[in-house]
Amino acid sequence: DAKTTQPPSMDCAEGRAANLPCNHSTISGNEYVYWYRQIHSQGPQYIIHGLKNNETNEMASLIITEDRKSSTLILPHATLRDTAVYYCIVRVIIQGAQKLVFGQGTRLTINP
Amino acid sequence: NAGVTQTPKFQVLKTGQSMTLQCAQDMNHEYMSWYRQDPGMGLRLIHYSVGAGITDQGEVPNGYNVSRSTTEDFPLRLLSAAPSQTSVYFCASSFGAGDTQYFGPGTRLTVL
Repeated sequence: DAKTTQPPSMDCAEGRAANLPCNHSTISGNEYVYWYRQIHSQGPQYIIHGLKNNETNEMASLIITEDRKSSTLILPHATLRDTAVYYCIVRVIIQGAQKLVFGQGTRLTINP
Repeated sequence: NAGVTQTPKFQVLKTGQSMTLQCAQDMNHEYMSWYRQDPGMGLRLIHYSVGAGITDQGEVPNGYNVSRSTTEDFPLRLLSAAPSQTSVYFCASSFGAGDTQYFGPGTRLTVL
């Protein structure tokens, strides 16, 4: 399974853009990059996903490098409620099962 | 829509007891799955179902049973609880195996 590498922690000032990097150098051509976040002990919350192209939705933007070996999640105007653990995940489909390979994640702290 | 709901939120069991963790979704999703989350280990797939009447094992199925009699419900049964099953359990659902999964709020289980 493709593994992801993320910095264990990051800080960002409220109102600024938070840029969270992720390395996935062994990703295969048909594997998607997904981002989830987990606030306290709540269930993982879906943020965004992509395959090759950059993606944007109401929560965030996802920038994927051309070689697909790394990506960056951008929260354009971070708020205190964005403090959470962010997981970069390579999604694999194996024999009909969707496998989300969660790593350690990045603990993002938004400071006032 | 309530999304994915899980009951109970918290549970304490004694070794050897049995119980059922409930999971329901009202989004007409065909694909449902159960994960467990242990400190420092990310989420691991226990069982999954691609539709009513069909279930299969994930990566850590031992000690757990599932059934899928309806599209909406996917209960997880612990047959004889062991301390190693102390964990936080998350249920997730998606339209299909290749679609974005949405997680429930989790059940925190302690086995003494």
